[in-house]
Amino acid sequence: DVKVTQSSRYLVKRTGEKVFLECVQDMDHENMFWYRQDPGLGLRLIYFSYDVKMKEKGDIPEGYSVSREKKERFSLILESASTNQTSMYLCASHTQGNNSPLHFGNGTRLTVT
Amino acid sequence: GDSVTQMEGPVTLSEEAFLTINCTYTATGYPSLFWYVQYPGEGLQLLLKATKADDKGSNKGFEATYRKETTSFHLEKGSVQVSDSAVYFCALSGDTNAGKSTFGDGTTLTVKP
Repeated sequence: DVKVTQSSRYLVKRTGEKVFLECVQDMDHENMFWYRQDPGLGLRLIYFSYDVKMKEKGDIPEGYSVSREKKERFSLILESASTNQTSMYLCASHTQGNNSPLHFGNGTRLTVT
Repeated sequence: GDSVTQMEGPVTLSEEAFLTINCTYTATGYPSLFWYVQYPGEGLQLLLKATKADDKGSNKGFEATYRKETTSFHLEKGSVQVSDSAVYFCALSGDTNAGKSTFGDGTTLTVKP
């Protein structure tokens, strides 16, 4: 079974801090994604990556960056956390092809105070 | 661009009732269609999928048929259980958007005993 592991379930950070959210998948998937989930707004794509060292902006990349140095690991970085980045963050991966379903981690609930 | 519209919630049903959650989509080409389920405190997981017109996806008593003529992928279950209480997301993965998925806003289902 594919496993997508997010390093933290809950995280509390202060405004202005640099925040790292880590995601690791164990099935050699090429594609990895970061979403945020907010009530009433559904899932919104922040960044995605097709391969090591490659990254593409999603729908809401502002205030975020990503890093993919190894195929299995995809990190989301908040350079200077703000209160409007308080949210649930979901990492997902899948193999190439549009009929391949996404496999999600359990999410990181980030609170910025 | 691609879009997914699903029935607004929340939906509240009694145990053993019939469930329908409507989903319609707009996409170019021939997308694959998915239903994901999110149980409280967890990430999303694949419920079922269909990859071409007239395909029926099914799992755990849930079914959905890919209807190209009506651009729909409605989720149905004949007899819901309390354990089906969750948020349900309709999604598509198009053959022209390089592996990215487009999600509906989610429908919250509560089943009462």
